[in-house]
Amino acid sequence: DSGVTQTPKHLITATGQRVTLRCSPRSGDLSVYWYQQSLDQGLQFLIQYYNGEERAKGNILERFSAQQFPDLHSELNLSSLELGDSALYFCASSVDGPQTDTQYFGPGTRLTVL
Amino acid sequence: AQKITQTQPGMFVQEKEAVTLDCTYDTSDQSYGLFWYKQPSSGEMIFLIYQGSYDEQNATEGRYSLNFQKARKSANLVISASQLGDSAMYFCAMSGGWNNNDMRFGAGTRLTVKP
Repeated sequence: DSGVTQTPKHLITATGQRVTLRCSPRSGDLSVYWYQQSLDQGLQFLIQYYNGEERAKGNILERFSAQQFPDLHSELNLSSLELGDSALYFCASSVDGPQTDTQYFGPGTRLTVL
Repeated sequence: AQKITQTQPGMFVQEKEAVTLDCTYDTSDQSYGLFWYKQPSSGEMIFLIYQGSYDEQNATEGRYSLNFQKARKSANLVISASQLGDSAMYFCAMSGGWNNNDMRFGAGTRLTVKP
């Protein structure tokens, strides 16, 4: 158990809908990262928050947004969902933001868009 | 741009033997971190080992060791005394640059341990 929690574990929804994925980092970790893992794209970095502020942005679509709250939990919002958004979404956390900080991953949320 | 290459889509190893999973990387940064993660069939990503670009000694964590060759830009994972539970996908990853926390992952290597 990495100490990072994600809810829900599974999510099934329809095209055009909006969903919210939730992540709670390990105790003491200030950084939260979101990743998307799909069969065709592999593991892709989406976005990072550090202590409530956006720190780095990767291949995140405009239909997707995220935020980190004062209690450091984070939410990833996916809207206007398409079939291709079906994937495993991971949240990871690290103590700080330096590039050499180990990221610990949550169990993931498996999103299926029908 | 940073790039991680894992050239072995699949590997087989006999139980109790050692296996090396290859990883090469490309970066212009001087300071970076190299990581290996394990993803069993259950889906979670498990951190295995870390190597800093300035670390002079190869990292070791139990049965895992990282064969770091900076000049060749390679960071191979060595698993000694393979166990059936080692069967999983293994990902090499790199995070680098003082303002870059974008961790890039390789395509992964599926390791199968044979009894």
